[in-house]
Amino acid sequence: DVKVTQSSRYLVKRTGEKVFLECVQDMDHENMFWYRQDPGLGLRLIYFSYDVKMKEKGDIPEGYSVSREKKERFSLILESASTNQTSMYLCASSGGGANVLTFGAGSRLTVL
Amino acid sequence: EDQVTQSPEALRLQEGESSSLNCSYTVSGLRGLFWYRQDPGKGPEFLFTLYSAGEEKEKERLKATLTKKESFLHITAPKPEDSATYLCAVQPSGNTGKLIFGQGTTLQVKP
Repeated sequence: DVKVTQSSRYLVKRTGEKVFLECVQDMDHENMFWYRQDPGLGLRLIYFSYDVKMKEKGDIPEGYSVSREKKERFSLILESASTNQTSMYLCASSGGGANVLTFGAGSRLTVL
Repeated sequence: EDQVTQSPEALRLQEGESSSLNCSYTVSGLRGLFWYRQDPGKGPEFLFTLYSAGEEKEKERLKATLTKKESFLHITAPKPEDSATYLCAVQPSGNTGKLIFGQGTTLQVKP
């Protein structure tokens, strides 16, 4: 079964901490995405990647960075977490010419 | 600016009471329109892709339709297990892979 796995389901961090959210897909997909989901705002794209070591900014990249050293892994980094980054973070991948996104289960981050 | 608007935000139905969810979009060329279902605490799960006006797709009690400006997700004789948030997303032309999502419609079906 096709899978996108996010390493942490729930995290609680302090303001100013560095946070790593990791995502691994086993479908050999070229494209990987990080979204955040907030009530009333829907899903907003943070960063995406079309290939290893490539990255592009989405709609809300401020305060975030990403890393894609291997095809199957896409990491989201919060260099200095702030309370307004408390959210549900969703990783997704697509590939093989199809544009259907397969999502992970999400990582709920709380920044105190 | 590319934009997706879903209505209503929330919908409560009695079991067996059919209804429709709306997704209106403004996009610079449409490569595809997607419907997803999301259960609480989980990631969205793919339902349908529609590519051109007039296209329809069905899955069990759900049927998705597409016009040049909007899409409808029709739910026929819903059951409590259909309760979820339904998300609509569009892929603009010339934009590989990136989807723009609406805010979703949260459906509650009461027995």
